[in-house]
Amino acid sequence: DVKVTQSSRYLVKRTGEKVFLECVQDMDHENMFWYRQDPGLGLRLIYFSYDVKMKEKGDIPEGYSVSREKKERFSLILESASTNQTSMYLCASSRTTDEQYFGPGTRLTVT
Amino acid sequence: ILNVEQSPQSLHVQEGDSTNFTCSFPSSNFYALHWYRWETAKSPEALFVMTLNGDEKKKGRISATLNTKEGYSYLYIKGSQPEDSATYLCASRYNQGGKLIFGQGTELSVKP
Repeated sequence: DVKVTQSSRYLVKRTGEKVFLECVQDMDHENMFWYRQDPGLGLRLIYFSYDVKMKEKGDIPEGYSVSREKKERFSLILESASTNQTSMYLCASSRTTDEQYFGPGTRLTVT
Repeated sequence: ILNVEQSPQSLHVQEGDSTNFTCSFPSSNFYALHWYRWETAKSPEALFVMTLNGDEKKKGRISATLNTKEGYSYLYIKGSQPEDSATYLCASRYNQGGKLIFGQGTELSVKP
């Protein structure tokens, strides 16, 4: 059974804090993605990675960075959290052009 | 900027009703169309991946069609059940290695 896990389901952080969201997949997938989902908007791509130590900006990378030191793990970093980063964050992985497998999401609130 | 539109945004139906919703996408350089179902408190789950014009896919009571020339896909649910309640997302891809462009989703609520 394929699995993508995210470190937290719910997270509350203060403005200015550094926040780490972790994602792990056990399917040996090359590709990993970070999205955010806000009411009335589709999933918007923040960053993605096609291989270890590789990263590409998505549509809304501002205020975020990522790290992929191992194939199975893709981390999203909010260097200095702001209230407009309150959102649902979803991680996904895929093998080349196949369908993406999603984690359960992390609902982040920045106060 | 590529834009994928889904309609309606939300839909409320009675158990047993059949329903359908639409995904519209730019047809130029189209490569593939994905449908996902996202139930509350769960991960989005892939339903279909469609690539060919005229393609039709079916999984149980759910089916989808694809028109790549005019840039739309329909998702049909026959005899809706409460467990079909979810947000249905479509996403298009524009080349083999391209990222997915998601629509805003259609939220379906099926009342018993």
